[in-house]
Formats: sequence, C-alpha cells, structure tokens
Amino acid sequence: AQSVTQLDSHVSVSEGTPVLLRCNYSSSYSPSLFWYVQHPNKGLQLLLKYTSAATLVKGINGFEAEFKKSETSFHLTKPSAHMSDAAEYFCVVVFGNQFYFGTGTSLTVIP
Amino acid sequence: DAGVIQSPRHEVTEMGQEVTLRCKPISGHDYLFWYRQTMMRGLELLIYFNNNVPIDDSGMPEDRFSAKMPNASFSTLKIQPSEPRDSAVYFCASRTTADTQYFGPGTRLTVL
Repeated sequence: AQSVTQLDSHVSVSEGTPVLLRCNYSSSYSPSLFWYVQHPNKGLQLLLKYTSAATLVKGINGFEAEFKKSETSFHLTKPSAHMSDAAEYFCVVVFGNQFYFGTGTSLTVIP
Repeated sequence: DAGVIQSPRHEVTEMGQEVTLRCKPISGHDYLFWYRQTMMRGLELLIYFNNNVPIDDSGMPEDRFSAKMPNASFSTLKIQPSEPRDSAVYFCASRTTADTQYFGPGTRLTVL
C-alpha cells in the first residue's frame, strides 16, 4: 500500500534560518515524489519532483529535497527562510495514476 | 498557457440549491482531477478522468455529487442539493501521461 506521512503539522523558523520539512513515504515500488506549496487562498504550485533520477532534487525558490530510499524519506530543505516562504507544504507520493497527499505542514516564518 | 482555469472563484449559496463548478484543463492534458480541500479532511481526490472518461469516482462523497467531462477542454462538478457540509475549496488539476499535476486556483464554496 502507498501512503505518505508529514511528520510536523506546523513548523516555525526565523527569517534567514534553515527550513526542514519532513516527509516519509510507504510504497511497494519505487515511487515518484513531489512537494507542492500552497500560499493562502491560492492553488497548489509544484516545488519539485523526484522521478528516479538524481536523488538530490532542486526546486524553485531555493528549495531542495533528497530522496533516501533506505530511510523512505523525502525531506524538504532550504538554507535560509524568507518571509515569502510562509505557506502550506504538501508531500505527495505518486503511484500509477493515484496521487497520495500528505496532510500538509504549515510553515511560519518569524521576522 | 493560461494554466488550469476554474470558475467561479467564489460561490455562496443556500442549502438545497444546485451548485455547478467549472474547469478548463491545460490544452493537451488528457487527465483531469477534481479535489476537495477542508480543514478537517485535508485534500481529497473526488474523481478523475482520462480522455474525458471517468476512471475512478470512488472519492465522490455521495449521490448528490456528479461530474462530467463532455470534451477535452471542459469539465463540471455539480452538487445537487447542496448542504452546509459541502463548504470547501474545490480544486481542479490536469496532467499529461507524465506525472506532474497542475492545479487550478480553486473555487471556494460556501453553503449557508
């Protein structure tokens, strides 16, 4: 069975400090993995995706994620948080035509 | 490309009324998805289409909900009769056989 778990429902960081949003997945097969971001009152925007190429994936706005098969993780990181990064972040496992969404992590950036 | 287009962006209606949400996918995308997002349940897949044919509607909550895709450039999600618990943001998304989904801005539905 496929599933995805976002370990933190809320994360708060100070502006300029690193961001770590955690995601673990369960899949019987090699999955495709995505991170989407949703700003308030907006739709979901693709941040980055992993599809069995390089394990370190770079996305937009300075975000990146590393696929670790041994840990079944796909954590999202950014070296330095910006105020505009405050949003909801969703980790997604894709298997076939099904998208399995995590419950989301709300990121707050403190000035 | 304008991306996925949804209308209306906001809808306020009274309980018992019929509600129709509309979606125009990105041109050339042959998959279309309808999602519902609430605080309590997060993001839920309601139904998806491939080449205008409904493939999986197991997420549709009950018979009051129906979805159609009469052609490759248009889909509707209808709720009749609407109830207050249907209040949510409804997202439409589309993709090609490649696996990245592109989401519309959503329709915020409020049923009074």
